[in-house]
Amino acid sequence: EPEVTQTPSHQVTQMGQEVILRCVPISNHLYFYWYRQILGQKVEFLVSFYNNEISEKSEIFDDQFSVERPDGSNFTLKIRSTKLEDSAMYFCASRKGGSGEKLFFGSGTQLSVL
Amino acid sequence: DQQVKQNSPSLSVQEGRISILNCDYTNSMFDYFLWYKKYPAEGPTFLISISSIKDKNEDGRFTVFLNKSAKHLSLHIVPSQPGDSAVYFCAAKRDNAGNMLTFGGGTRLMVKP
Repeated sequence: EPEVTQTPSHQVTQMGQEVILRCVPISNHLYFYWYRQILGQKVEFLVSFYNNEISEKSEIFDDQFSVERPDGSNFTLKIRSTKLEDSAMYFCASRKGGSGEKLFFGSGTQLSVL
Repeated sequence: DQQVKQNSPSLSVQEGRISILNCDYTNSMFDYFLWYKKYPAEGPTFLISISSIKDKNEDGRFTVFLNKSAKHLSLHIVPSQPGDSAVYFCAAKRDNAGNMLTFGGGTRLMVKP
């Protein structure tokens, strides 16, 4: 079965550094998402992306965050200047589109900000 | 943000018996509900969903029930198997909110052989 792949699986960075989390959504999917889960907390929506632009974003997704689809396969989340509270598991997800509501999630990138 | 709540952090069930996982929501604008299963070190995996126009949806061993008046849904797993042991998340969305899912806190299900 096709799957969403995320790299790296673990990322450790110093506070204030920039990080880029990478995702390869399922190839025929049109809608892309980032969610995150801070340890012990709920899975939270960050941003959705369709037709090369952000379609929706949450309050968490402030100016320090950006997303990009640099080519036909990758979907990236950039955090410009990481903070301690950005430490979380970041999940990428994709959806085919149309009436399909099912989101497919990747295995996540565990980001640790020191 | 407590729009979607799963009040039981954990549930232990004997193999072969029924597992019932519960979820409550407060936002009456939610009109589509999903259940995801999550194993350690993996992303959430879609299990089953239900639209607000229905009160039941069944897929094999999994059945989701929706009680709109009570703003409550439940996931039934019959019969439960040890491989069902995982964290189960309830999620909800509003039709006019794209695919922004609001998740509950999850319930850890342990199915004992």
